[in-house]
Amino acid sequence: KQEVTQIPAALSVPEGENLVLNCSFTDSAIYNLQWFRQDPGKGLTSLLLIQSSQREQTSGRLNASLDKSSGRSTLYIAASQPGDSATYLCAVMDSNYQLIWGAGTKLIIKP
Amino acid sequence: KAGVTQTPRYLIKTRGQQVTLSCSPISGHRSVSWYQQTPGQGLQFLFEYFSETQRNKGNFPGRFSGRQFSNSRSEMNVSTLELGDSALYLCASSLDAGGQAVYGYTFGSGTRLTVV
Repeated sequence: KQEVTQIPAALSVPEGENLVLNCSFTDSAIYNLQWFRQDPGKGLTSLLLIQSSQREQTSGRLNASLDKSSGRSTLYIAASQPGDSATYLCAVMDSNYQLIWGAGTKLIIKP
Repeated sequence: KAGVTQTPRYLIKTRGQQVTLSCSPISGHRSVSWYQQTPGQGLQFLFEYFSETQRNKGNFPGRFSGRQFSNSRSEMNVSTLELGDSALYLCASSLDAGGQAVYGYTFGSGTRLTVV
């Protein structure tokens, strides 16, 4: 059974710092991995999608990497801003075509 | 282009009642998935529809059901509501279903259901 873990559960950093969020999964048989952000009480905003054959994806200040063999993905946020404060979730599409979710990392960027 | 639209945004129901939630996917998307999000359980998969057929189902009781119409709009129904059904219900659409969902999922803003 696929399990997804996100570490840390919460992170607070000063504005301007670069930071890394981690996501690990137990079964390397995945179709893709997607990173989302969720603001309090709101829906999910897709950030980056990495196919199983890819190693990384970039969008603006965000870079996500995928190492399927080790069951890990990282989300790198450069030059963090207070507007980046949110909960970040990763989800893998497993061999049954279902999205399996991590519990999220709550990120606070202090001005 | 318009995103995924969920209605209503907020809903308060009494135990034992039934409720229907609606989701309109992005134009051209034929796959619609539903998720329940609670503080204790996080995000849990309910079901996925593609071309009016249920393709996948999560581990929820039969009180939770759904359907998809020919225009890809989807509805989710919960009968005999329980207090534990209080949650944010999220709908996501994708260009295609299953292994072809290579374009990822776009989520709506959700429906906040409170059961009292």
